[in-house]
Amino acid sequence: DVKVTQSSRYLVKRTGEKVFLECVQDMDHENMFWYRQDPGLGLRLIYFSYDVKMKEKGDIPEGYSVSREKKERFSLILESASTNQTSMYLCASRRYSGIIEQFFGPGTRLTVL
Amino acid sequence: GQNIDQPTEMTATEGAIVQINCTYQTSGFNGLFWYQQHAGEAPTFLSYNVLDGLEEKGRFSSFLSRSKGYSYLLLKELQMKDSASYLCAVRYNYGQNFVFGPGTRLSVLP
Repeated sequence: DVKVTQSSRYLVKRTGEKVFLECVQDMDHENMFWYRQDPGLGLRLIYFSYDVKMKEKGDIPEGYSVSREKKERFSLILESASTNQTSMYLCASRRYSGIIEQFFGPGTRLTVL
Repeated sequence: GQNIDQPTEMTATEGAIVQINCTYQTSGFNGLFWYQQHAGEAPTFLSYNVLDGLEEKGRFSSFLSRSKGYSYLLLKELQMKDSASYLCAVRYNYGQNFVFGPGTRLSVLP
């Protein structure tokens, strides 16, 4: 079974703090994604990566950055957390081609006070 | 933008059939996915449609009409465990990312 894990299920941070969210997948997938999920807005893509050290902006990249130093690991960074970044963050991965089913991690519920 | 529309909430009775609709913009369409998401959990893949017609998988079926920009997820013999949000997602222009709809929260009542 594909497994996508995220470093924390729940996280509470203060405004202005630098926040790291980590995601690891164990199926050698090329593509990895970071979404945030908010009520009524659905899943919105923040950033994605299709290879090591490669990254592409999604729909809402402002206030976020990412890092992919190894194929299995994709990190989301909030440079200076703000209250409007309180959300559920979901990581996902899938192969570049062939079966394009996307596998999600369990999510990190981030609260910024 | 590439808006995807779904009803926000639906309610149905255990044992019944429910149809969850999804409409999307057709330009650049390259596949539609349905995911199930229980409260507090990750979305899990249910179905994939890229050609017109019905795909059946047990109690769940998904239909696609590319010309109409329309899909539905049909759930038969509803069970309490089917209470969840159902997410419609579309892949556009052979891109690597999907566009997700807002999700439909389904409540199954006894």
